[in-house]
Amino acid sequence: QSVLTQPPSASGTPGQRVTISCSGSRSNIGSNIVNWYQQLPGTAPKLFIHGNDQRPSGVPDRFSGSKSGTSASLAISGLQSEDEAVYYCAVWDESLNEGVFGGGTKLTVL
Amino acid sequence: EVQLVESGGGLVQPGGSLRLSCAASGFTFSSFSMNWVRQAPGKGLEWVAYISTISDIIDYADSVKGRFTISRENGKNSLYLQMNDLRDGDTAVYYCARDRVFDYWGQGTLVTVSS
Repeated sequence: QSVLTQPPSASGTPGQRVTISCSGSRSNIGSNIVNWYQQLPGTAPKLFIHGNDQRPSGVPDRFSGSKSGTSASLAISGLQSEDEAVYYCAVWDESLNEGVFGGGTKLTVL
Repeated sequence: EVQLVESGGGLVQPGGSLRLSCAASGFTFSSFSMNWVRQAPGKGLEWVAYISTISDIIDYADSVKGRFTISRENGKNSLYLQMNDLRDGDTAVYYCARDRVFDYWGQGTLVTVSS
């Protein structure tokens, strides 16, 4: 069982807006920066959001991240079929010096 | 272009050992901390181990502490994971990932522990 809690699945139709949540505690999300990763089938994870809400170059601006208290969210607007993947949230716990991942959310584009 | 290439995976019996390598290129390896992250078949990501730039800070997940050893050779742009006393639960794809942000990942190497 993951320390960070994500819904196992999410879905939407093309063009819709979808939000994926990531819930933690004061010691992890509440005290550290949240990052998000996209994993397409059969490939390695790829950093999609860092620093809670920053997009690396090349990531479409349809993707946005936010954090409030002990929770974080990844929002995808204008959903496209190529967005179908598993999304993971993660933090680096500075106090424990260890990485902590959410269980992952499989996004399906209907 | 940043590249991380893992190698050394394979089939090993329970109780056996394996050494994974990660060859880095396209960036100044000695300036970045590194990690190993694993993913069991059909499961999520699990952080395994961390090593600082000059190897003065090393940390492990509780699940591998005392059995796995992370190390690096900055002169060879290489990261390693020595895995001893392997168990069925260690079966996974092992990724090396750069920095505490995990901003770049290798393609992974599969470790299968089975008799």
